[in-house]
Amino acid sequence: DGGITQSPKYLFRKEGQNVTLSCEQNLNHDAMYWYRQDPGQGLRLIYYSQIVNDFQKGDIAEGYSVSREKKESFPLTVTSAQKNPTAFYLCASTDPGHFSGNTIYFGEGSWLTVV
Amino acid sequence: AQTVTQSQPEMSVQEAETVTLSCTYDTSESNYYLFWYKQPPSRQMILVIRQEAYKQQNATENRFSVNFQKAAKSFSLKISDSQLGDTAMYFCAFMRQGGSEKLVFGKGTKLTVNP
Repeated sequence: DGGITQSPKYLFRKEGQNVTLSCEQNLNHDAMYWYRQDPGQGLRLIYYSQIVNDFQKGDIAEGYSVSREKKESFPLTVTSAQKNPTAFYLCASTDPGHFSGNTIYFGEGSWLTVV
Repeated sequence: AQTVTQSQPEMSVQEAETVTLSCTYDTSESNYYLFWYKQPPSRQMILVIRQEAYKQQNATENRFSVNFQKAAKSFSLKISDSQLGDTAMYFCAFMRQGGSEKLVFGKGTKLTVNP
């Protein structure tokens, strides 16, 4: 079955550490997104990528980095510069150029906690 | 830039009754998609319903229907015969068709269905 796989489901980060969240999709989608969700809040865009080897900052990119070396993969690194990284992270993908209508697919999310 | 506004942070409804969640958006685009997503406590994002802007007919999916008013830039979700399993956060989302644009979400409405 096609879909988006995020890993790990739960991740603990120590102060000063960088950690990387994985996002893999086998839907052949060009566009991929990373969102952050704090308790009781909506989704805030961190980074997005419309094509391989290209990505743009979203609304809250500070303290995060991404890469898009392969179409199916869009990993997110939470750097030590992100002072409050404890949150739920969602990866999504879609095919904006699909004329007949498309759907945003989401992974199951990753919980990141600072210890 | 596109914005999506959900003016009701929380709502409640009695089981078997009908409830309407509001969503307005701001865009200068003519071709776009609108979505309603449900996020239960598991945090999995579940597509409820999708509307293509070029279609005048309102989308329906079983107990879920929308009232799409393109000129007013309004996209409300009606849930009929509410069930306990409908308790969740509901997010309205916008995506421009065919362009290199990001997904834009509202802040969400927390819906509680009471027995």
